[in-house]
Amino acid sequence: GENVEQHPSTLSVQEGDSAVIKCTYSDSASNYFPWYKQELGKGPQLIIDIRSNVGEKKDQRIAVTLNKTAKHFSLHITETQPEDSAVYFCAASLSSGYSSASKIIFGSGTRLSIRP
Amino acid sequence: DTAVSQTPKYLVTQMGNDKSIKCEQNLGHDTMYWYKQDSKKFLKIMFSYNNKELIINETVPNRFSPKSPDKAHLNLHINSLELGDSAVYFCASSQGSAEEQFFGPGTRLTVL
Repeated sequence: GENVEQHPSTLSVQEGDSAVIKCTYSDSASNYFPWYKQELGKGPQLIIDIRSNVGEKKDQRIAVTLNKTAKHFSLHITETQPEDSAVYFCAASLSSGYSSASKIIFGSGTRLSIRP
Repeated sequence: DTAVSQTPKYLVTQMGNDKSIKCEQNLGHDTMYWYKQDSKKFLKIMFSYNNKELIINETVPNRFSPKSPDKAHLNLHINSLELGDSAVYFCASSQGSAEEQFFGPGTRLTVL
């Protein structure tokens, strides 16, 4: 089945610097790659997603890149701010065979800390 | 308005007991999910329902039984609770597959 690996597990950056989180996936059939942010005591929340027909997507300070050949995708956060501190999850979506089912496999998470 | 709500938020119980967690979404979504997040923050899907029909059932002990009385509700009943069941359980919903999933606030289950 699909396997998603995420690195690093923890990341500490100075406020204002950039943060990069990398993920790899194993199943070339995966075609949807969301990124979720989980703040302390809350459920994960989608921050950006990318589909396999696109190589890059940007939303203000957040960007995601996808390399289908290498089966890599990355999250880039520029000009980091204290409120960016959270756990970030990458994920890959794999169809389970049912027409309406799409199982999302999550990476192991990256705890991002922004130093003031 | 809360999009995906879960009750209770905290649940502390003894080994061997039976407990239920309730989930409701007011987004009009067709698909609902249960996830388990362990102490290392690893998120793993347990079940998925589409229009009250079970469509994803991961390798979960049969002590866990989801029930979807209607499209807006997906409850999780757990029999004979074990220490290893301690985790945070998240309910989520989405409109169709490969779309954004909206997560509830989670239920922290502690089995003593």
